[in-house]
Amino acid sequence: GENVEQHPSTLSVQEGDSAVIKCTYSDSASNYFPWYKQELGKRPQLIIDIRSNVGEKKDQRIAVTLNKTAKHFSLHITETQPEDSAVYFCAASMEGNTGFQKLVFGTGTRLLVSP
Amino acid sequence: DGGITQSPKYLFRKEGQNVTLSCEQNLNHDAMYWYRQDPGQGLRLIYYSQIVNDFQKGDIAEGYSVSREKKESFPLTVTSAQKNPTAFYLCASSAGTGETEAFFGQGTRLTVV
Repeated sequence: GENVEQHPSTLSVQEGDSAVIKCTYSDSASNYFPWYKQELGKRPQLIIDIRSNVGEKKDQRIAVTLNKTAKHFSLHITETQPEDSAVYFCAASMEGNTGFQKLVFGTGTRLLVSP
Repeated sequence: DGGITQSPKYLFRKEGQNVTLSCEQNLNHDAMYWYRQDPGQGLRLIYYSQIVNDFQKGDIAEGYSVSREKKESFPLTVTSAQKNPTAFYLCASSAGTGETEAFFGQGTRLTVV
């Protein structure tokens, strides 16, 4: 079936350390892989995304890597800060019933950055 | 905080009653979505709509219904047939297909009492 697996479910790091969250997806036709951050009590917001024609994308302290052959992609956060504490969701685009591309989300990773 | 608005933020419902959650967007987006968020289960797609007057079932549509009479509005009705309706509901919209950024509302927390 179509699914996205995300690990770990919780991640605790010290401020300044790096954090890595990994996702695998089932549909080899998936072409779009966004990452969303959801702070406590707030809406999910896009922080970075990558398309299948590139293997890596970076935006300041965050980066995403994609391995299409292995069907997995990862979020890397360097020099973590307490304000990075949130739940992070990965997602992959997959074709729905009518050919419309929909997003299938992972189960989320709760990141806690301790000062 | 603009673009896509959900109301109310908190909603209480008695068992056996239908309830409708509102979602409005002023982003001129064609596509709109409803997700359900439960602890440890991520975001699961309930219904989606590509254009006005068209909508499709997502992965967990049973017990829910939607309408898309206007481009800006995509209300979700949680019916009495939904066996476990207590959850956090998120509405989203995007300019195109699921391969573009989705913008989320602030969510509605529904509790069945």
